[in-house]
Formats: sequence, structure tokens, C-alpha cells
Amino acid sequence: ETGVTQTPRHLVMGMTNKKSLKCEQHLGHNAMYWYKQSAKKPLELMFVYNFKEQTENNSVPSRFSPECPNSSHLFLHLHTLQPEDSALYLCASSQDPGGGYGYTFGSGTRLTVV
Amino acid sequence: QKEVEQNSGPLSVPEGAIASLNCTYSDRGSQSFFWYRQYSGKSPELIMSIYSNGDKEDGRFTAQLNKASQYVSLLIRDSQPSDSATYLCAPSGDKLIFGTGTRLQVFP
Repeated sequence: ETGVTQTPRHLVMGMTNKKSLKCEQHLGHNAMYWYKQSAKKPLELMFVYNFKEQTENNSVPSRFSPECPNSSHLFLHLHTLQPEDSALYLCASSQDPGGGYGYTFGSGTRLTVV
Repeated sequence: QKEVEQNSGPLSVPEGAIASLNCTYSDRGSQSFFWYRQYSGKSPELIMSIYSNGDKEDGRFTAQLNKASQYVSLLIRDSQPSDSATYLCAPSGDKLIFGTGTRLQVFP
């Protein structure tokens, strides 16, 4: 596989559930990101990992918990979410953490919290 | 002042016309600028990058950068219905900020 792969593509979960989103990149990039995209809002940066070390947590609620076991894999663990957390969650990777060469995005996970 | 500003649109142009998309940014330290295209329900796709003042052409797309004015634009020549999408502007920097995007509609 090539590029950035995200699973699952769609997820419906209740407010008391625990689920995880997975992202894998096959590009040899050093930085990985989680973004949230809600309707009619700009992309919101959530977390940044550089060489598997977290370098940015953009005031994200603790019900979102990232994990980066290595520079190719990134997870977003979800628990006790709220309906307003329903959105498209996008994973991206870049060659360098400042994004000087642009980002490659995964296909996203469409999350619905009921 | 927002860090990256784009007109949300929609910008409607007829097929074959030139579509002009504009973006202003506040971080004077930004060195690289990117345009992403996002089709409805899909993820953003990098289509253009520009690093120095002036124009950069790639097929039907031309990116224009003016660092003094903190302005970057994207021109799409011979617009096609398949160009209908939201176009996101993103300067590089310490903060990874995207614009809200401009929705482009190309009608036959």
C-alpha cells in the first residue's frame, strides 16, 4: 500500500463507547497529524507528532487520546465523546514537522456520535 | 485578524473561464504556501506549492505569491466542471493553519 491509510472510513458510536481510529503512512515521512473537520469550519489541528514524539496538543479535550508507537503509525483513542464531536477526522503526514513540503492526507474517518 | 483568510464563496464560473481564488495570511514568517483541493466528502489533496514571489504554473493552474502583501492566489484556466470543489490555502510555519476554503462551482 502507498500513501496514508485510515481506518475505519465510517464510525458510529454511543457516548459511552470506547473506540480507536488508526492511521498508517507508507511514505517514510517523519511527522504525523490529526485534524478535525466540522461542517463549515476550517480544518482544526489537534495533535502533531514528530519522530513519534508529541510536539503539539492544540487544547484538545482529554476524551481524545493520541498514540504514536512509531513514525509510521498513529492512533486516536476516543472515549465518552459528545455529539458535537461528530466530524471528519483526518490524518496527515509530512516529510518535516513544519510542513515545508506540504501534507499528504488520508481518506478520513467520518465519525458520528449518537 | 484571522491567520488565513479566504472568501468562502461559492465562486461560480462558466466552463472554459478563468477561476481566481485568493488568500491572505498574517504570518510574515511563512516561507512555503500550498493549495489543496477538497471534493465534497473527500480529504484534501495537494495540488500546488509555491515558495518564492511571482508566478508558478502547472498545467491549467497558476499560483501567484506576493510576500510583501501577504497574498497568494490560484488561477485555474479553462475551468472544467470537474474543478468544482473547495480550495484550501495553507502557509507553512510553526502553526499549521488552513484557510476555511473557497467553494468553486464550474457550470457547463
